[in-house]
Amino acid sequence: EVVLTQSPGTLSLSPGESATLSCRASQRVTNNHVAWYQQRPGQAPRLLIYGASSRATVIPDRFSGSGSGTDFTLTISRLEPEDFAVYYCQQYGNSPITFGLGTRLEIK
Amino acid sequence: EVQLLESGGGLVQPGGSLRLSCAASGLTFSNYAMTWVRQTPGKGLEWVSAITSTGINTYYADSVRGRFTISRDNSENTLSLQMSSLRAEDTAVYYCVKAGSAWSYFFDFWGPGTLVTVSS
Repeated sequence: EVVLTQSPGTLSLSPGESATLSCRASQRVTNNHVAWYQQRPGQAPRLLIYGASSRATVIPDRFSGSGSGTDFTLTISRLEPEDFAVYYCQQYGNSPITFGLGTRLEIK
Repeated sequence: EVQLLESGGGLVQPGGSLRLSCAASGLTFSNYAMTWVRQTPGKGLEWVSAITSTGINTYYADSVRGRFTISRDNSENTLSLQMSSLRAEDTAVYYCVKAGSAWSYFFDFWGPGTLVTVSS
């Protein structure tokens, strides 16, 4: 199965700064089928990005995804207080579907 | 507005069975694949099972294959997960999740989740 390694494990930043989150796959992800999710405490995950770079409905353009092959990135610009949460990447191009262990974005 | 609501979670002894249900509304249910994803503090998010829009094809993680059965009723807009031979490691919050399309397994809507605890 495709193992997704997310880094860093925890990222400490201040509101207004930009965040860069990494997701590295153990093998090439077919069709770059990578998605990113945000999970706030006590809530279900929320889809942010699919197809590596397509924003989901009502997701602000501060969130952007990029990458191909085995290396994918989620960038969040101009951090807002509500952005501090845990972020997961997922690949759905290879069977079985797998998730990374997450990056916790915390307020510095 | 798409809404997914799970039910059926609870406490069950090891070796026991439990049936989870998910009621879907606000979408043309029969157009989309559906899945179950579970979450534990230690292992994070884990895809459990998926079913195609027609219900003809089903898929399982190795960890649950042979013990869990996914099904759907497109006339009632419901998704189910029959779980048997439950183990302590099946303890998790189980989410009913809508796939992005009939064939694309990114997950665009999630239910609030239902907690399954396997313990004696």
